[in-house]
Amino acid sequence: QVHLQESGPGLVKPSETLSLTCTVSGGSIGSFYWSWIRQPPGKGLEWIAYIFYTGSTNYNPSLKSRVTISVDTSKNQFSLTLSSVTAADTAVYYCARGDPYYQYLDVWGKGTTVTVSS
Amino acid sequence: EIVLTQSPGTLSLSPGERATLSCRASQSVSGNYLAWYQQNPGQAPRLLMDGASSRATGIPDRFSGSGSGTDFTLTISRLEPEDFALYYCQHYGGSPRYTFGQGTKLEIK
Repeated sequence: QVHLQESGPGLVKPSETLSLTCTVSGGSIGSFYWSWIRQPPGKGLEWIAYIFYTGSTNYNPSLKSRVTISVDTSKNQFSLTLSSVTAADTAVYYCARGDPYYQYLDVWGKGTTVTVSS
Repeated sequence: EIVLTQSPGTLSLSPGERATLSCRASQSVSGNYLAWYQQNPGQAPRLLMDGASSRATGIPDRFSGSGSGTDFTLTISRLEPEDFALYYCQHYGGSPRYTFGQGTKLEIK
């Protein structure tokens, strides 16, 4: 059974860069799409970006200028960086696996809370 | 951008009752790329339905999905206590690639 685990700092200062990693266990990172999704406190879900195991990427236009997603197949990990963060970037950040054909998100990590504050 | 509008925002029902949740797309979409998720407080979303009407692995058959074009429905035939949660519909394929509805909160009456 595939498990996803997010890791990274829980507190980031305004204007700095947020960096998160998702470790995939119980299966290969190959053949799937891998996404980051976030959820601000009390709000809905916002998709941030995905990466295919080959390295092909797609970003939410609203965040594209500040986001980079990358994959390390040797470590079965993919990562997110979000630059120039503000309080509006405070959220629970989830990583998730996307089906290779219809891209529904069938496996999710438990999420990690990131707070932007000085 | 394809906008998904879910209704109602909050649905108050009792265990054993039938729940009908709606998801309306701002333009016609393929049901192949329409999914539903359940989220309990403090937990990650869980895939319920993919392809608008296919139950994900382990999802009980009291959950069903239907619809096409711009109107999609998630139905829970007989509510169990564990079904009271937040529900999101999601579409893949536009720009941004993934969009989510704003959610429907299913609460105990």
